[in-house]
Amino acid sequence: AQSVSQHNHHVILSEAASLELGCNYSYGGTVNLFWYVQYPGQHLQLLLKYFSGDPLVKGIKGFEAEFIKSKFSFNLRKPSVQWSDTAEYFCAAGGRRALTFGSGTRLQVQP
Amino acid sequence: DAGVTQSPTHLIKTRGQQVTLRCSPKSGHDTVSWYQQALGQGPQFIFQYYEEEERQRGNFPDRFSGHQFPNYSSELNVNALLLGDSALYLCASSLEAVRGFYSSGNTIYFGEGSWLTVV
Repeated sequence: AQSVSQHNHHVILSEAASLELGCNYSYGGTVNLFWYVQYPGQHLQLLLKYFSGDPLVKGIKGFEAEFIKSKFSFNLRKPSVQWSDTAEYFCAAGGRRALTFGSGTRLQVQP
Repeated sequence: DAGVTQSPTHLIKTRGQQVTLRCSPKSGHDTVSWYQQALGQGPQFIFQYYEEEERQRGNFPDRFSGHQFPNYSSELNVNALLLGDSALYLCASSLEAVRGFYSSGNTIYFGEGSWLTVV
């Protein structure tokens, strides 16, 4: 069965701190991996995606993620968070048509 | 602006009633998927429509049904509502690519969702 696990449910950081959110997946066959962000009251927005090639993927707003096949992981990182990064972050894995999402990580950045 | 529009934004229904939610995909997109996001959870895939046909379905009962119109817009219908159907319902649109749905250039756009409360 396809599944995505996000280890951190709620993370609180101070501005300028570094961020790493964990994501592990269980997926048969070719997997495509995504990180989405959901700001309060807004729609899901794509941060970055991995399909193939360089396992270090750079996305918008200074985020990046590293695909480690041996660990079935796709962790999200940002070297220095800002208050405006406060949001919910979802890791997702995609097969041919459907996306399987993790349960999300709520990030709270304190000024 | 996501480009995917959903209506209504909020609604309250009573157990046993039926509800219809609507979605207009981003201009130029021909594929619509529906997801259910319960409070504190990640979105769960309900089904996907392409060329007016349901072509993949998640683990949801037959009470959940849908439709896609020739203009690519879509409806999600839920019959015999249960308290557990209370959730944010998200519509996602994309453009079917020759190589398949998840070609690298194919970005999925989500709407802001319809909040359904069943009382």
